[in-house]
Amino acid sequence: DGGITQSPKYLFRKEGQNVTLSCEQNLNHDAMYWYRQDPGQGLRLIYYSQIVNDFQKGDIAEGYSVSREKKESFPLTVTSAQKNPTAFYLCASSWEGQETQYFGPGTRLLVL
Amino acid sequence: SQKIEQNSEALNIQEGKTATLTCNYTNYSPAYLQWYRQDPGRGPVFLLLIRENEKEKRKERLKVTFDTTLKQSLFHITASQPADSATYLCVLSSGGYQKVTFGTGTKLQVIP
Repeated sequence: DGGITQSPKYLFRKEGQNVTLSCEQNLNHDAMYWYRQDPGQGLRLIYYSQIVNDFQKGDIAEGYSVSREKKESFPLTVTSAQKNPTAFYLCASSWEGQETQYFGPGTRLLVL
Repeated sequence: SQKIEQNSEALNIQEGKTATLTCNYTNYSPAYLQWYRQDPGRGPVFLLLIRENEKEKRKERLKVTFDTTLKQSLFHITASQPADSATYLCVLSSGGYQKVTFGTGTKLQVIP
């Protein structure tokens, strides 16, 4: 069953805490992306990765970190430096050079 | 800066009618334009892609037009059904991983 999965569906963060959002794909896609979605705004790119062990900052990378140790996995860490982390986080993947992206189901992050 | 405008207000339409959604953009010359569907609390799902040298694309009940002179795309759903109720996102890109811009989406409600 091919696709892209994200976990958890809901995540709660306490003040000063780092949390990690999981993203896994078995589509054999080269590129993976993290977006943030806020009400009334379009998706904004946080980080993207074209190949293993390489990633690039998007438009709103401050307060976030990523790793790409395996082709299938692209976890996102929301650090304590991100002062407004409450949002819906979406992971996506695509074949190299292709415009169409395939999205996961999303993780909603809430701050306690 | 690049800007995409989609109707921020919800579009209500009677079942069986044709729904037409508009996407206008400024300060951009995209090579590709895509439409995605997003249901509440879920990730976007790809529907159609049209290239700058194409005027129209169809897929089953869906049709998209792309007018690079007017800087506008129209997205049509014919014989609309309540199951078509969702938010529809317009997405522009120029090729390359970073140059993707998402619209805020238009919420479509098909009334039985």
